[in-house]
Amino acid sequence: AQTVTQSQPEMSVQEAETVTLSCTYDTSESDYYLFWYKQPPSRQMILVIRQEAYKQQNATENRFSVNFQKAAKSFSLKISDSQLGDAAMYFCALGSGTYKYIFGTGTRLKVLA
Amino acid sequence: SAVISQKPSRDICQRGTSLTIQCQVDSQVTMMFWYRQQPGQSLTLIATANQGSEATYESGFVIDKFPISRPNLTFSTLTVSNMSPEDSSIYLCSVGRDSNTEAFFGQGTRLTVV
Repeated sequence: AQTVTQSQPEMSVQEAETVTLSCTYDTSESDYYLFWYKQPPSRQMILVIRQEAYKQQNATENRFSVNFQKAAKSFSLKISDSQLGDAAMYFCALGSGTYKYIFGTGTRLKVLA
Repeated sequence: SAVISQKPSRDICQRGTSLTIQCQVDSQVTMMFWYRQQPGQSLTLIATANQGSEATYESGFVIDKFPISRPNLTFSTLTVSNMSPEDSSIYLCSVGRDSNTEAFFGQGTRLTVV
C-alpha cells in the first residue's frame, strides 16, 4: 500500500525567513511522482512543485525547492523568503502516473509579520 | 492547465436528502476524479469517473451512496445520497490530461448537513 506521512501538523515562520516542511512516503512503484499542493482558505488546491522520481535533481520553483531523498523516501519542501501569502495548508501527495493521488494529512503554515 | 468549474460552491442540506455536485472542465480530459476532504483532514479519493461506463470506487465508498456520472470528456457529477451529518465535507473534483502533467482541482463544494 502507498502511504504519505506529514509529521508536522503546524509550522510557523517569520516573514522573509526560511521554513522546511517534511514529508515521507512509501510505495512499491518504481515510477512515481511527488507533489506539494497549497490549499489557502479559498479551498483551491494549487500545485506548488512536482518531482519525478526518476530525476535525481531536486525540483525548484522560484522561492520553493524540494529535498528529494529517494532511498530514504523523503520529500521535504523548503520555502525561502516567506511571504504572508504563503500562509496555507500544505499537502504532500504521491502519484503513480494515473492522477490517483495519496495525500498526507497536511501541514498548516503560519507566516508571522 | 485546465480550468475547472464546480457547482455549487457550498450548500446546507437537510439530512435524508441528496445533493448533486457538478464539475465542468474547459477542455477534454482523460481522467476525472472525486475527492472528499472531511473537516480539518486530508483528501481521500472517492472514485474515478469513467466516461461511458460505471465509476470505479475506492475502498469504503459505494455507488448507492455516491453515484457518479460522466457523460462526456468535460463533465461529471457526484451525488451524495441520503445525507447524514457525517457527510459534511468538502468535495473536490480533480482532472488529469496527459501522463506527464499534474492533476488540477476544482475549488471544491463545501457541504453541511443539518
